[in-house]
Amino acid sequence: DTGVSQDPRHKITKRGQNVTFRCDPISEHNRLYWYRQTLGQGPEFLTYFQNEAQLEKSRLLSDRFSAERPKGSFSTLEIQRTEQGDSAMYLCASSILADEQFFGPGTRLTVL
Amino acid sequence: KNEVEQSPQNLTAQEGEFITINCSYSVGISALHWLQQHPGGGIVSLFMLSSGKKKHGRLIATINIQEKHSSLHITASHPRDSAVYICAVRAATGTASKLTFGTGTRLQVTL
Repeated sequence: DTGVSQDPRHKITKRGQNVTFRCDPISEHNRLYWYRQTLGQGPEFLTYFQNEAQLEKSRLLSDRFSAERPKGSFSTLEIQRTEQGDSAMYLCASSILADEQFFGPGTRLTVL
Repeated sequence: KNEVEQSPQNLTAQEGEFITINCSYSVGISALHWLQQHPGGGIVSLFMLSSGKKKHGRLIATINIQEKHSSLHITASHPRDSAVYICAVRAATGTASKLTFGTGTRLQVTL
């Protein structure tokens, strides 16, 4: 399968714990995006990378959130000291420059 | 007011019906995407368009740049078309890659 993959698919954690999600983009795609989707809403932009450089972060991305793409391939999104409001689907997408974006299956986070 | 508005929010149709979902946006754009999301979360890109019309099978997407409006049509709808359909735009200025999404149209096609 050469599509975008995300791991884990589901994560249940207790409030205050740290969680880390991984995204593996399509191999030749140089742009990688993170989005967050809450129930009944469309996705919202969090951040994106071109190769290993993080070019923009949304104001939604508080200090508790950090994303990396160390070698310009896979990316990780870490949430520290999780809160119940962080419960959402975290979506990753990749593209070649500003071309069509291909989405992964998402990681559903539940914070108890 | 959201930058991207979709209508209707919910739509129920009988198999075989012609379906139209509308999207209006308020910013200048470089591209508009139509996406399909099934229960469980996975998103599939249906169309990316910046002008005119595109067709793929029973799906047709049109865009009117002057009126800032796009439509997604499904001909001869089928229960497997049941999903949430999301419109997203890429702004013409600022972050050229960031997508801004509508809240989606939930379509249920019954037998």
